[in-house]
Amino acid sequence: EVQLVESGGGLVKPGGSLRLSCAASGFTFSSYSMNWVRQAPGKGLEWVSSISSSSSYIYYADSVKGRFTISRDNAKNSLYLQMNSLRAEDTAVYYCARAFNANSFDYWGQGTLVTVSS
Amino acid sequence: DIQMTQSPSSLSASVGDRVTITCRASQSITSYFNWYQQKPGKAPKLLIYAASSLQSGVPSRFSGSGSGTDFTLTISSLQPEDSATYYCQQSYTIPWTFGQGTKVEIK
Repeated sequence: EVQLVESGGGLVKPGGSLRLSCAASGFTFSSYSMNWVRQAPGKGLEWVSSISSSSSYIYYADSVKGRFTISRDNAKNSLYLQMNSLRAEDTAVYYCARAFNANSFDYWGQGTLVTVSS
Repeated sequence: DIQMTQSPSSLSASVGDRVTITCRASQSITSYFNWYQQKPGKAPKLLIYAASSLQSGVPSRFSGSGSGTDFTLTISSLQPEDSATYYCQQSYTIPWTFGQGTKVEIK
């Protein structure tokens, strides 16, 4: 069974940093591109970042470029999101999601809440 | 960035009704288009990918159509468990973008 489990969320002050993790199991992690998608409270979905299977290709939304860094460790079946210079508008539930056909997202984690507030 | 516009923003329908949600892209995205269902407090679930392909395990009452800029999600016979918010997504070019969502309620 495919499972994605995020961790690392919490309350952080503006300007602070946080590192999210996503532990994958039930599939060959090293064969899939992975993504981070976020959802602010009561709002819609926003794609944040993507990383290819071998980390050769990395992309970011303009809203996080220069502040967030996506990475993965295929030996540990893990995906990461290092978030620096956090702002109030980064407050959201962060999901990791597996890339599927037509660049869709077929499996999602349960999400981890990041709250940026003083 | 490609803008995705869903309509309606919300709807209320009865069990057994045929429900249609539309999504329009600001430019052609060929068939790089997907639909998701999200229930409160849960992660989104992939329903339809590549505009019209039904994801494994999704009931056949869900169907998708369209190409280019205009797309449709149809629920042929609405069930109580279909109460949720539905999102469209373009996967043609980065940044991947989502529609604002359509909330479906059961009368």
